[in-house]
Amino acid sequence: AQSVAQPEDQVNVAEGNPLTVKCTYSVSGNPYLFWYVQYPNRGLQFLLKYITGDNLVKGSYGFEAEFNKSQTSFHLKKPSALVSDSALYFCAVSRGDYKLSFGAGTTVTVRA
Amino acid sequence: ETGVTQTPRHLVMGMTNKKSLKCEQHLGHNAMYWYKQSAKKPLELMFVYNFKEQTENNSVPSRFSPECPNSSHLFLHLHTLQPEDSALYLCASSQEGGATGANVLTFGAGSRLTVL
Repeated sequence: AQSVAQPEDQVNVAEGNPLTVKCTYSVSGNPYLFWYVQYPNRGLQFLLKYITGDNLVKGSYGFEAEFNKSQTSFHLKKPSALVSDSALYFCAVSRGDYKLSFGAGTTVTVRA
Repeated sequence: ETGVTQTPRHLVMGMTNKKSLKCEQHLGHNAMYWYKQSAKKPLELMFVYNFKEQTENNSVPSRFSPECPNSSHLFLHLHTLQPEDSALYLCASSQEGGATGANVLTFGAGSRLTVL
């Protein structure tokens, strides 16, 4: 079985401060890891993915994520958060097939 | 617009009603998915169609019945639902649903279902 844990329901940061959204995963074999973002009244949008190679992955809107195999983590980061980054963020994992397992999501609020 | 369109955006139905959710994608993708999103819970994969063939039924109750007439259209037929079925139902598509690993899903905006 594969699963994702997002330990924080909510993350609050001030605009301009660094933003980190945590994700740990459990999967047999090599993980394929993804981050998606959901804005109000919208579906999920793809941000970035890790398949293999460099542990630091860069994605859309200035986001990046670091794959850490020993800690089975894939935390999402942004050096300087914007108010427009306020949204619901989902981490997901697969074993390389179509079955993506998502976490419960983390609500990010960036205050001006 | 993402290229994946879901209708209706909102649906209220009684427990004895029959209704359908519709999804259409204009991306030339070959795989389509239904997910259920409930507050503070992980997204639940319900059904997967790859090249119009159903490849996944994630132990979904029979009151949910999917239909995929072609690679561009996906329906979710609803019958005798329960109040706990109230949720946001998301449709997604991807290039294909096989073992590519790098499958990136494109989601629609969802259909908000309320069962009274």
